[in-house]
Amino acid sequence: QAQLVQSGAEVRKPGASVKVSCKASGYRFSSYGISWVRQAPGQGPEWMGWISGYNGNTNYAQKFRDRLTMTTEKFSSTAYMELRSLTSDDTAVYYCARGNHGDYVDPWGQGTLVIVSS
Amino acid sequence: QSALTQPASVSGSPGQSITISCTGTSSDIGGYNYVSWYQQHPDKAPKLVIYDVHNRPSGVSNRFSGSKSGNTASLNISGLQAEDEADYYCSSYTSSTALVFGGGTKLTVL
Repeated sequence: QAQLVQSGAEVRKPGASVKVSCKASGYRFSSYGISWVRQAPGQGPEWMGWISGYNGNTNYAQKFRDRLTMTTEKFSSTAYMELRSLTSDDTAVYYCARGNHGDYVDPWGQGTLVIVSS
Repeated sequence: QSALTQPASVSGSPGQSITISCTGTSSDIGGYNYVSWYQQHPDKAPKLVIYDVHNRPSGVSNRFSGSKSGNTASLNISGLQAEDEADYYCSSYTSSTALVFGGGTKLTVL
């Protein structure tokens, strides 16, 4: 069955960048997109953006548009999310999740904890 | 502040039924049949339990059901079991940003 496996936890200083990977297996990568969703401690999920597994088209939430980049590597069925200019407000668990644009997401990766602290 | 509004908590006894509401606007829930619900246990990733308003993924118990009326969607869980205790989140397609989530509802099984 479909599975997404993410890279491990990261610690960054304010102003730095982080890049999280998400390796897909068990399905045709090009048939679905990948959404990235983050969840701050004690908060609900927050959708960050989506990338097509077919052609790499992206749609970013307005809030992140100037410091977020999503990419894919088709040959390895891997999606990447890079967030720049980090602040303490970016401390959260970051999830990748398979889905078509605007519709439900399933399954989710196991999550990657990103801590931003000086 | 989350765009979709959910009650912070609901509770019920084993065997009872509960309903969790999720209120949005005509730009999200009211305008599209792309409402989904997720169950999240502590320190786990969310799991899809309802998609496209009322559809259940394979493997999800038929005790879970979804519906929508106007700008409000609902998740019903019947025959409550201890394992249902978790946080539940709704989400919807939205014309403004593609996907939006609710703030979450903590379900306690008494």
